Amino acid sequence: KAGVTQTPRYLIKTRGQQVTLSCSPISGHRSVSWYQQTPGQGLQFLFEYFSETQRNKGNFPGRFSGRQFSNSRSEMNVSTLELGDSALYLCASTLAGGTGFGETQYFGPGTRLLVL
Amino acid sequence: GNSVTQMEGPVTLSEEAFLTINCTYTATGYPSLFWYVQYPGEGLQLLLKATKADDKGSNKGFEATYRKETTSFHLEKGSVQVSDSAVYFCASMEAGTALIFGKGTTLSVSS
Repeated sequence: KAGVTQTPRYLIKTRGQQVTLSCSPISGHRSVSWYQQTPGQGLQFLFEYFSETQRNKGNFPGRFSGRQFSNSRSEMNVSTLELGDSALYLCASTLAGGTGFGETQYFGPGTRLLVL
Repeated sequence: GNSVTQMEGPVTLSEEAFLTINCTYTATGYPSLFWYVQYPGEGLQLLLKATKADDKGSNKGFEATYRKETTSFHLEKGSVQVSDSAVYFCASMEAGTALIFGKGTTLSVSS
């Protein structure tokens, strides 16, 4: 079974631009979560989508948004990019959703975003 | 709020040495606990997990036991290999919430 895939793997943008990242979960998984990883802040939760609805949201500004499609694929968008948005963005999928006790999240390889 | 604290790295060991990476958590309920590993340039891979007190997760020679009384989930391996060099993350998750990660511990194993 194919794992979580993320595209693109690498991205360079300039301040003020916007960016869209894509995530395809493991086949049959319905929940997708997004995390930001930086050297300073570590791994931080952005949001979770389940059945096309945002179920949980982390403490990030409104410039960060996401959506999920009927096939469970998800996109996240960052508008008006800032230098501090440079990070590795990780997507994780879960079979039934984060509300299940002990649900395991399976991560993709990430998209490395560099903002110049 | 809930949090995960793991020992600061880097941890540098010789091949075949014993490994312990400490992890403690704070939670309002009863979280599931996880260890993830990240190799250079890659995403996170689940190493092992435990869902209730006294559960022991194990995989590839790594073990961790869910200790509710000490709120700990320490990672151990009896004999590390060079290929174990990576960053290890301890994480907790309560039902209905997201994973909360520790800062990560970099392990470097030399031959």
